[in-house]
Amino acid sequence: SAVISQKPSRDICQRGTSLTIQCQVDSQVTMMFWYRQQPGQSLTLIATANQGSEATYESGFVIDKFPISRPNLTFSTLTVSNMSPEDSSIYLCSTRQGVDEQYFGPGTRLTVT
Amino acid sequence: GENVEQHPSTLSVQEGDSAVIKCTYSDSASNYFPWYKQELGKGPQLIIDIRSNVGEKKDQRIAVTLNKTAKHFSLHITETQPEDSAVYFCAAYSARAGTYKYIFGTGTRLKVLA
Repeated sequence: SAVISQKPSRDICQRGTSLTIQCQVDSQVTMMFWYRQQPGQSLTLIATANQGSEATYESGFVIDKFPISRPNLTFSTLTVSNMSPEDSSIYLCSTRQGVDEQYFGPGTRLTVT
Repeated sequence: GENVEQHPSTLSVQEGDSAVIKCTYSDSASNYFPWYKQELGKGPQLIIDIRSNVGEKKDQRIAVTLNKTAKHFSLHITETQPEDSAVYFCAAYSARAGTYKYIFGTGTRLKVLA
């Protein structure tokens, strides 16, 4: 399985600011995904990031709030913009191997004060 | 819309006992069912999976069963150990009309008591 790393691992940010989360994969992958996991909750897909095309956002998530970059086949960033305390969550990057096996990074724990 | 129900939400067992977590899915097109273990402060880790052409799969102390007719699948952990304590998520995956969807269950917090 691919090894996925994320930076930062955690951060505490003030409301109104933005944070960019980086995701690095140790091999080239077509599809990368960004999830949000609110405290004690399940995983919610934010968007799918394919290299060379615009990210596809799920219902309830918009590009202005969560802009995503995918400059190459091993790297992606997610920005959480104009943050509010409701954005406090774990943000997870994932990739798929083969047809359907999905692997996750360690997550970025964001607290907005 | 499609969903996956997961039960129980919390489960406490004595070390050495077995633990069973059950999931029910609604999308009949689902054909792949992974289970993830998430330890505190870490990302979800894929621990076992099963595809729709198989009824059961086992890997050492963990096993997964699938009943396609009833749309049920379950995770079985035998001889539980304290390090099995974590949150477990089931998921159902389907690919239809060019979309590829993972639907996650709500999670089960397993506590193994020493």
